[in-house]
Amino acid sequence: DQQVKQNSPSLSVQEGRISILNCDYTNSMFDYFLWYKKYPAEGPTFLISISSIKDKNEDGRFTVFLNKSAKHLSLHIVPSQPGDSAVYFCAASAPDIGNEKLTFGTGTRLTIIP
Amino acid sequence: DAGVIQSPRHEVTEMGQEVTLRCKPISGHNSLFWYRQTMMRGLELLIYFNNNVPIDDSGMPEDRFSAKMPNASFSTLKIQPSEPRDSAVYFCASSRRTGRGTGELFFGEGSRLTVL
Repeated sequence: DQQVKQNSPSLSVQEGRISILNCDYTNSMFDYFLWYKKYPAEGPTFLISISSIKDKNEDGRFTVFLNKSAKHLSLHIVPSQPGDSAVYFCAASAPDIGNEKLTFGTGTRLTIIP
Repeated sequence: DAGVIQSPRHEVTEMGQEVTLRCKPISGHNSLFWYRQTMMRGLELLIYFNNNVPIDDSGMPEDRFSAKMPNASFSTLKIQPSEPRDSAVYFCASSRRTGRGTGELFFGEGSRLTVL
């Protein structure tokens, strides 16, 4: 049972354009959401996060939007750069004190075309 | 500062053999996680420890899998006996838990396991 879903296994975007990666979740208890980025032969690295009390969080070229009613979040990258080519994982956690479990999606491979 | 260190980076073994994966977390981090990455399921949490104590092992697939954390700077994930379906990349991650925990994990580079 996949509680965090990334339905697009891959996405190709022209350099300079906007990349939009989507993520859906089913567990209404999730209250904190993160995006991780992974290059080949490396471990995932933290990119950006958002708490459920917000609907938007911005960090430079990266913005995460959260729509709690739709149980949907998205990551926007503007403008997209070749170095953004990577696999992006969406993750979520629930507010259980002492529980640091992150539930990850299956990932979306983003390719930026020069 | 050194990140999370995993070994071996690559392991090829035959079905039925024992496999041991090792992890050294970031110094000062008190939580350690073992994840497995597959195409079908993405990153699955197998087990995590806090202050060397296993907190949640509900993701461990079956009794063939076991994990230990004898001290704050070392953990092992063992598969015995290994099967071809165990082929995956296994990641270790650590974090410094502060109250609720923000969930920011620091991952190692992974151990790619191939079971023939």
